[in-house]
Amino acid sequence: DMVLTQSPDSLAVSLGERATINCKSSQSVLSSSNNNNYLVWYQQKPGQPPKLLIYWASTRESGVPDRFSGSGSGTDFTLTISSLQAEDVAVYYCQQCYSTPHTFGQGTKLEIK
Amino acid sequence: VQLVESGGGLVQPGGSLRLSCAASGFTFTSYWMHWVRQAPGKGLMWVSRINGDGRTTGYTDSVKGRFTSSRDNAKNTLYLQMNSLRAEDTAVYFCARSRDGYNFIGDYWGRGTLVSVSS
Repeated sequence: DMVLTQSPDSLAVSLGERATINCKSSQSVLSSSNNNNYLVWYQQKPGQPPKLLIYWASTRESGVPDRFSGSGSGTDFTLTISSLQAEDVAVYYCQQCYSTPHTFGQGTKLEIK
Repeated sequence: VQLVESGGGLVQPGGSLRLSCAASGFTFTSYWMHWVRQAPGKGLMWVSRINGDGRTTGYTDSVKGRFTSSRDNAKNTLYLQMNSLRAEDTAVYFCARSRDGYNFIGDYWGRGTLVSVSS
């Protein structure tokens, strides 16, 4: 199974500052047929289901604030929150949909400093 | 779009449960549907998928032969039949719609139903 490793496990950032979460996959998730990276980012708040933020590594889901952005290709990916807001406190997961089983990273807990 | 799971509860090891996921607000038959679970205080784990007509399914190895995903398109409902349950199956089970078919990109999720396997 493909392993996704997120770093750091937890992160504390001041309001208005940048938050960066990394995700490294054990195999490339770049499709040679369509040049898409099969990498997804979710946000999960306590007691709620995950919310889709980013898919194809860098495509923002409709309605997601533009302070959220995704980047990377192949095996290394980054989720960036450009200016942290209080409502961004959550656990963030990356997930690959390149091969089954579709695996998730272990999650990164984001808090306010 | 709304997805509402039901059917969770407490079951003994070796027992069975059937989860349901009632879908509304979209053309149910046009979408692959997936199940994802989350053990208490843990991360997310993809469990299974099923295509729009219910003829194609896929499972993670740990549930193969024990879990069966199905759907009743006349009722806009997705099911997960879980047999031979183990303690490690204890989790909140989410159903989710995939915006990209069998490649799981979960654009809508239910709130989940808790399955507890314990004697």
